[in-house]
Amino acid sequence: KQEVTQIPAALSVPEGENLVLNCSFTDSAIYNLQWFRQDPGKGLTSLLLIQSSQREQTSGRLNASLDKSSGRSTLYIAASQPGDSATYLCAVIPGGFSGGYNKLIFGAGTRLAVHP
Amino acid sequence: DAEITQSPRHKITETGRQVTLACHQTWNHNNMFWYRQDLGHGLRLIHYSYGVHDTNKGEVSDGYSVSRSNTEDLPLTLESAASSQTSVYFCASRGELAGDNEQFFGPGTRLTVL
Repeated sequence: KQEVTQIPAALSVPEGENLVLNCSFTDSAIYNLQWFRQDPGKGLTSLLLIQSSQREQTSGRLNASLDKSSGRSTLYIAASQPGDSATYLCAVIPGGFSGGYNKLIFGAGTRLAVHP
Repeated sequence: DAEITQSPRHKITETGRQVTLACHQTWNHNNMFWYRQDLGHGLRLIHYSYGVHDTNKGEVSDGYSVSRSNTEDLPLTLESAASSQTSVYFCASRGELAGDNEQFFGPGTRLTVL
């Protein structure tokens, strides 16, 4: 059974720091991996999607990497800003290349606070 | 732009009443999902659908039902609302093919059952 773990559970950093959020999964046969952001009282916003065949994706100051063999993904945030404060969720669709009809399995999230 | 919307955004109801939450997506996705989010439990899957007339139970389906009569809509019905169903409800949709498998979420419905 696929399980997703995110470390750390919470993180507080000063503005301007580069930071790394970690996500690990127990079964390397995944269809894709997706990073989301959730602001308090709001819905989930998709940040980056990494297909099973890809190693990384970039969007602005965000870079997500995927290492299926070790069951790990990292979300790198460059030059953090107070506006980056939110909960970041990692989720995988299990099942390898035939996983198109499978369900997302979420980690518990990392609560990030960036203070001025 | 394609989007996924939910209504109402906030709802207060009484125990025992039937409540229906609407979800509408314009992505033309076959796959649609309903989740609830509670403190300490994260996101839990209630029901999901892989296409018109297809519905499936998730991990917390008791007391909820869905129906899928077209591609765009997946309404969630609470047959007889209970206080334990006070929660924030999120609808999501996703394609199943490579290149169209990013999952998108609606803004959520905050439901309070008194």
